[in-house]
Amino acid sequence: EIVLTQSPGTLSLSPGERATLSCRASQSVSSSYLAWYQQKPGQAPRLLIYGASSRATGIPDRFSGSGSGTDFTLTISRLEPEDFAVYYCQQYGSSHPYTFGQGTKLEIK
Amino acid sequence: QVQLQESGPGLVKPSGTLSLTCAVSGGSISSSNWWSWIRQPPGKGLEWIGEIYHSGSTNYNPSLKSRVTISVDKSKNQFSLKLSSVTAADTAVYYCARNWPVTMSFDIWGQGTMVTVSS
Repeated sequence: EIVLTQSPGTLSLSPGERATLSCRASQSVSSSYLAWYQQKPGQAPRLLIYGASSRATGIPDRFSGSGSGTDFTLTISRLEPEDFAVYYCQQYGSSHPYTFGQGTKLEIK
Repeated sequence: QVQLQESGPGLVKPSGTLSLTCAVSGGSISSSNWWSWIRQPPGKGLEWIGEIYHSGSTNYNPSLKSRVTISVDKSKNQFSLKLSSVTAADTAVYYCARNWPVTMSFDIWGQGTMVTVSS
């Protein structure tokens, strides 16, 4: 099973600042199969990034993804008030199909 | 616009069987997609439970495989989850989701339904 470890657990920033969220895998993950989600309280997760760096439909360009192998990053260039939420990374692998990271909570400082 | 809607009992007794259904609207369950169940215990992260294709082919999370059955009803455009021998640890919000082919991500989610295991 590939374990995804996200850091930090909580990130406190102000609107307008840049956010950098990390997702580290216990073994190499295909970049094609690494995704990021945003979840707000009481809502289902929303797909932000797929294939490590491609934005899903309707996702603003302040969201970007990068990385390869075992290290992946989600960057939000300038935080808007609506961006404060919990973010999850997710990978697909053949042996244990889908796993998620434990999440990073992005909170207003 | 495909939409998903979960339904089922919100309370299940310990040792019982959890049963949920996901209705697919705005599209066909027989499209080139797999369909998944994902759960989230209160205050915790996401756990993939399993997936099904319209042909009836399934894949399950190895940690839950012995207790999970996912089935499809093409005539009703829906798929279902059964989880047996439940305990309090199975208390969670249960989501159904559409797998996006090639990307192996989940692009459409239901709103989720809370299931509590308690006597």
